[in-house]
Amino acid sequence: KQEVTQIPAALSVPEGENLVLNCSFTDSAIYNLQWFRQDPGKGLTSLLLIQSSQREQTSGRLNASLDKSSGRSTLYIAASQPGDSATYLCAATQGGSEKLVFGKGMKLTVNP
Amino acid sequence: GAVVSQHPSRVICKSGTSVKIECRSLDFQATTMFWYRQFPKKSLMLMATSNEGSKATYEQGVEKDKFLINHASLTLSTLTVTSAHPEDSSFYICSATPPTWYQETQYFGPGTRLLVL
Repeated sequence: KQEVTQIPAALSVPEGENLVLNCSFTDSAIYNLQWFRQDPGKGLTSLLLIQSSQREQTSGRLNASLDKSSGRSTLYIAASQPGDSATYLCAATQGGSEKLVFGKGMKLTVNP
Repeated sequence: GAVVSQHPSRVICKSGTSVKIECRSLDFQATTMFWYRQFPKKSLMLMATSNEGSKATYEQGVEKDKFLINHASLTLSTLTVTSAHPEDSSFYICSATPPTWYQETQYFGPGTRLLVL
């Protein structure tokens, strides 16, 4: 059974810092791994999807990497801004299916 | 990107009543939709997988008689919370997958906040 872990649970940083968010998963037999953003009281916004055959994906200031052998993914946020403040969720597919297993998320606060 | 809507966005009901939540994929046909619930400061927990034209598959520990799921068309799935109790108060989120789900993300609805008094 897939388990996804995100540590730390929260992070507070000053504006402008480059950030690395960590995600680990137990079952490497994934179809894809995804990073989402969730603002308070809102649904999920997809940030990046990395397919099993890929090593990384980039979108603007965001870069996500995937290392299946070690069961890890990282989300890199360059030059953080107050608008980046949100909860970031990592999710990996489970058991060769499209079901997603989510980590508990990391609450990011970027201070101006 | 693809759009998934949920209705209502917020509902308050009395204990013992039933509440229906709709999930619609607006610009693509979704053979599969998922229902999640999220407690405050917790992650999303998958409740059930809804496939068009067939019975939903429920995750372990989810009462199928309490959370009725109907996926009547390729663009609509409904979740009915029957005989709701205060402990059912939560944030319910649906997602829909396009046919090329292995290449694309699930598309999530904006969520429905249910408060049972």
